[in-house]
Amino acid sequence: QVQLVQSGAEVKKPGASVKVSCKASGYTFTGSIISWVRQAPGQGLEWMAWISAYNGNTNYAQRFQARVTMTTDTSTSTAYMELRSLRSDDTAVYYCARGRTPYYGGNSFDYWGQGTLVTVSS
Amino acid sequence: QSALTQPASVSGSPGQSITLSCTGTSSDIGGYNYVSWYQQHPGKAPKLMIYDVSNRPSGISNRFSGSKSGYTASLTISGLQAEDEADYYCCSYTSSSTRNYVFGTGTKVTVL
Repeated sequence: QVQLVQSGAEVKKPGASVKVSCKASGYTFTGSIISWVRQAPGQGLEWMAWISAYNGNTNYAQRFQARVTMTTDTSTSTAYMELRSLRSDDTAVYYCARGRTPYYGGNSFDYWGQGTLVTVSS
Repeated sequence: QSALTQPASVSGSPGQSITLSCTGTSSDIGGYNYVSWYQQHPGKAPKLMIYDVSNRPSGISNRFSGSKSGYTASLTISGLQAEDEADYYCCSYTSSSTRNYVFGTGTKVTVL
C-alpha cells in the first residue's frame, strides 16, 4: 500500500534551517509529483511547492521561493524539504503529499504523510 | 491572492444532508475543473474526498459528492454520520503567478 513516512518533530531557533524528509513506499516513486503543504497551529492548509520525482523539476509558491529547496533521492524514494531563515511564524505542521497524477498542473493530493511539527522558538 | 472562501462552520443532524461551499475567482475555481476536497480529523493528515470537482477516489463513500457552478464549488454530504464531524478544505489549481494551488479557509462540520 502507498505510504509516505515523514521525519520526526524539530525545534529550531529563529534564523536556523530545517530539513524534513518524506520516504515513499508502495508505488513507483519516480512516476510521481510530491507537494509540500503546511498548517500553522489552529490554521488552514497552505500549499508550498511541488517537485517531480521523475526529473527534479520544481515549482515554489512565491512567498517561499527565496527560502525553500525541495529535492529527491530516487535511490531511497525520499523527498526532502529544506526551509531556511526560520521565523516564529514558520511554526507549523509540514505535510508531504503525493499528486494523484504525474502531471504538474491540475492535480490533487491522494496520499499524505503523517506530518512533521516544526517549532521555531528562541 | 487570498485563500478560497469557505463558511467557518456548518452543522447538521445525523441522517441529514449538508452542503459546504467554496468560492474563488476566474483564476482558480472559475477557470479550471481541478477542485478537490479534503477531510481532516483533529491531529490527523488530510484525506482526499473528491477530485476534479466531482470524482470520488476509490474507497470514499458515495455519500460525498461534489459539484461546481461558476466561481463556487460545493461538497454535499448526505446521510450525515457522526464520523463525518471534521474540518473540510477545498483546493483548486490556480493560474496565479504566485502559486499553483490555493486552499480554502476550511469549514468545521459538526454533527448535532
